[in-house]
Amino acid sequence: QVHLVESGGGVVQPGRSLRLSCAASGFTFNIYSMHWVRQAPGKGLEWVAVISSDGNIKHYADSVKGRFTISRDNSKSTLYLQMNSLRAEDTAVFYCARETRDYETLWVFDYWGQGTLVTVSS
Amino acid sequence: QSALTQPASVSGSPGQSITISCTGTSSDVGGYNYVSWYQQYPGKAPKLMFYDVSHRPSGVSNRFSGSKSGNTASLTISGLQADDEADYYCGSYTSSSTPYVFGTGTKVTVL
Repeated sequence: QVHLVESGGGVVQPGRSLRLSCAASGFTFNIYSMHWVRQAPGKGLEWVAVISSDGNIKHYADSVKGRFTISRDNSKSTLYLQMNSLRAEDTAVFYCARETRDYETLWVFDYWGQGTLVTVSS
Repeated sequence: QSALTQPASVSGSPGQSITISCTGTSSDVGGYNYVSWYQQYPGKAPKLMFYDVSHRPSGVSNRFSGSKSGNTASLTISGLQADDEADYYCGSYTSSSTPYVFGTGTKVTVL
């Protein structure tokens, strides 16, 4: 079955960097676009970034553009999010999510990981 | 890009029907049918409930239905049950510089 497992979260000081990973299994990773979505404590969902199946196309939310970089290693079935210049407002649970290929559509997230918490605090 | 607008909370008694609205603009909800709905229990990952406005993935109860009129999408839960108590989020593709936006979220309470 499809499995997405995020890791790399933790406590980091403002201005520092952190890299999140999302290990995928149970499906052919290299044909799926993948997304990062975050959720601040007690708040709603916020879409963060997307990467195409081959890694050539990437899009970001304005709130992270220029600071975060999404990437993937298809040989390792792993998705990454490099987060630089972190701010207190980046504190959130970060989820990786798979964009579905089961339906003839776009921008639909059919599987999600359990999330990893990033806390930006001095 | 601002979040899509949802009511903060909606409640109903078991067996009743409730509707959650999701209001955007012509640049998102009104302009595209890439509207989805997600259910989230506390401390858990979101679960896909609807895609393309009204398409229900396999495994989702037919007590749930989705629709759209103009810039507002809606999720209706019929025959409300205790385990429907959760947070619900809409989401839509947008033509803005941030290509995807979620709604503000609605907490459904079963009285």
